[in-house]
Amino acid sequence: QSALTQPASVSGSPGQSITISCTGTTSDVGAYNYVSWYQQHPGKAPKLMIYDVSNRPSGVSNRFSGSKSGNTASLTISGLQAEDEADYYCSSYTSSNTVVFGGGTKLTVL
Amino acid sequence: QVQLEQSGAEVKKPGASVKVSCKASGYTFTGYSINWVRQAPGQGLEWMGRISGYNGNTDYAQKLQGRVTMTTDTYSSTAYMELRSLRSDDTAVYYCAVVIAVAGAVFDYWGQGTLVTVSS
Repeated sequence: QSALTQPASVSGSPGQSITISCTGTTSDVGAYNYVSWYQQHPGKAPKLMIYDVSNRPSGVSNRFSGSKSGNTASLTISGLQAEDEADYYCSSYTSSNTVVFGGGTKLTVL
Repeated sequence: QVQLEQSGAEVKKPGASVKVSCKASGYTFTGYSINWVRQAPGQGLEWMGRISGYNGNTDYAQKLQGRVTMTTDTYSSTAYMELRSLRSDDTAVYYCAVVIAVAGAVFDYWGQGTLVTVSS
């Protein structure tokens, strides 16, 4: 099972919006609405930000939103804040009843 | 409150085995699956597998099939992940994680991570 494809890095200025893409295949992202997004600050455990493509866990800011079209899922962060600077990972359920992560995207807030 | 407490750091030689524990508290252990995720130094997240807290059913990443075994002890609400035939590229921080749904709200919890170093 190959990793999902994410851009290595994205950047944006405070207040702006950014979108991170996550491309899979018809056996994972394209087949199921089970895409999740995680935020990870250096030295910390990951934190679930989006599950089931577009749902936010309790306590996650509504500045974070998710969507999917075909084999590509996207995470959008609006009103960028300095604290959003982190690594972001997508994951998807697969047809093999397993989970696959993306390679990760480093978000820099300029 | 929900907590996942993992065992301490380990240093192992190539070819050895390691067993990491994850003691859960604050929720019904048998109601949810625990996932294991690892992260090599400076690298991304890698899903290793999951185990049902209810019946112990497991699903493993194909890459680790045959080397990994996940188990649970429901009496102590503890999950275990054993990795055998360790190689240097198994050096990583190993996390256990659980996603819990309560009254329509979803929460995720992670252990603090266990660093496993494989070195001769």
